[in-house]
Amino acid sequence: ILNVEQSPQSLHVQEGDSTNFTCSFPSSNFYALHWYRWETAKSPEALFVMTLNGDEKKKGRISATLNTKEGYSYLYIKGSQPEDSATYLCAFLMRFGAGTRLTVKP
Amino acid sequence: DADVTQTPRNRITKTGKRIMLECSQTKGHDRMYWYRQDPGLGLQLIYYSFDVKDINKGEISDGYSVSRQAQAKFSLSLESAIPNQTALYFCATSDSWGGYEQFFGPGTRLTVL
Repeated sequence: ILNVEQSPQSLHVQEGDSTNFTCSFPSSNFYALHWYRWETAKSPEALFVMTLNGDEKKKGRISATLNTKEGYSYLYIKGSQPEDSATYLCAFLMRFGAGTRLTVKP
Repeated sequence: DADVTQTPRNRITKTGKRIMLECSQTKGHDRMYWYRQDPGLGLQLIYYSFDVKDINKGEISDGYSVSRQAQAKFSLSLESAIPNQTALYFCATSDSWGGYEQFFGPGTRLTVL
């Protein structure tokens, strides 16, 4: 069974806080890991595609790291803003985690 | 214009009815997918297609069927709808090279009474 696990399930932070969450996946037969951002009433949108062990990707205040040997990826948000509020999904081989729902309070 | 479109966007139907959800894309991608989303469960893969002649079952294909009419079109059918198929359904596409990131349609909210 291919399990993609995300933690925490939900997170509430204050504006300006930095935060991070985790995606774990089977470490064998790795090809690529995807992070998606999913805002309420919208469709998921791709944030990062990560393919190499040690990869670090960055987009503005959001960054992600990848460890394929131990089967995890971290997503970091520096200085969270209310517009960062969304569900963040990771996906491995068409299998999605349940997501981390982030709420940033002004 | 949206690259991935889904019709209908909302549908209410009754138990036992046949219903078809349609997906079209203008991205020129070979790969297409159908997912359903239930609260707290993330996205679950129903069926996927890597090209017009390739159809594969996903995690939860029971009760569903698909048709890939053309590279740009992928339809999902519920032959006899049941209430636990009430969910949000997403179609997605990806290219057949590179990182395979997926591009999602706007979703179809289906309610089976």
